[in-house]
Amino acid sequence: SAVISQKPSRDICQRGTSLTIQCQVDSQVTMMFWYRQQPGQSLTLIATANQGSEATYESGFVIDKFPISRPNLTFSTLTVSNMSPEDSSIYLCSTGQGGAYEQYFGPGTRLTVT
Amino acid sequence: QKEVEQNSGPLSVPEGAIASLNCTYSDRGSQSFFWYRQYSGKSPELIMSIYSNGDKEDGRFTAQLNKASQYVSLLIRDSQPSDSATYLCAVNGAGGTSYGKLTFGQGTILTVHP
Repeated sequence: SAVISQKPSRDICQRGTSLTIQCQVDSQVTMMFWYRQQPGQSLTLIATANQGSEATYESGFVIDKFPISRPNLTFSTLTVSNMSPEDSSIYLCSTGQGGAYEQYFGPGTRLTVT
Repeated sequence: QKEVEQNSGPLSVPEGAIASLNCTYSDRGSQSFFWYRQYSGKSPELIMSIYSNGDKEDGRFTAQLNKASQYVSLLIRDSQPSDSATYLCAVNGAGGTSYGKLTFGQGTILTVHP
């Protein structure tokens, strides 16, 4: 499977600021996904990012809060804007590969908002 | 609202026993089913995928799928303390706007005690 890296691995940010998370894949992939995992919870899909098109957001997530870029087939960014303590979560990117779109996850970015 | 439900945990089994993890899903059109293992502080790791009714075995792991009952399970034979983790059931969307998207269950915490 592809090797996926994320930057930063963790950060502590102040309320009202923004953080951009980078996701890099070592091979070209069509579909990339961004998930959020709140403390003690399961994963929730934020949006799907396909190269050459606008990201598709899930219910409850909006572009103004979570703008996404997908400039090429190996890279994507997720920005968490105007952060509040409720945004404290682990943010994960994944790629769809393999049989019937198996997804493989990056190591995650642990965000704490104070 | 597409839902994925897992049996309530936590689940505790002795070393060497069989651990049984269960999952039901609401979207009858779902085609692909996955089990992920997540160690504390780590990202989810894909351990099993299953697409057709019946059993699929991989080492000590067996996934079982029954589409008529909308039920998927994971059996772990000869459980080891290293199997202690949270196990996440995930279901791939049936198509259209759900194509490629995973919906996760809430996870089952498994503890294997020596």
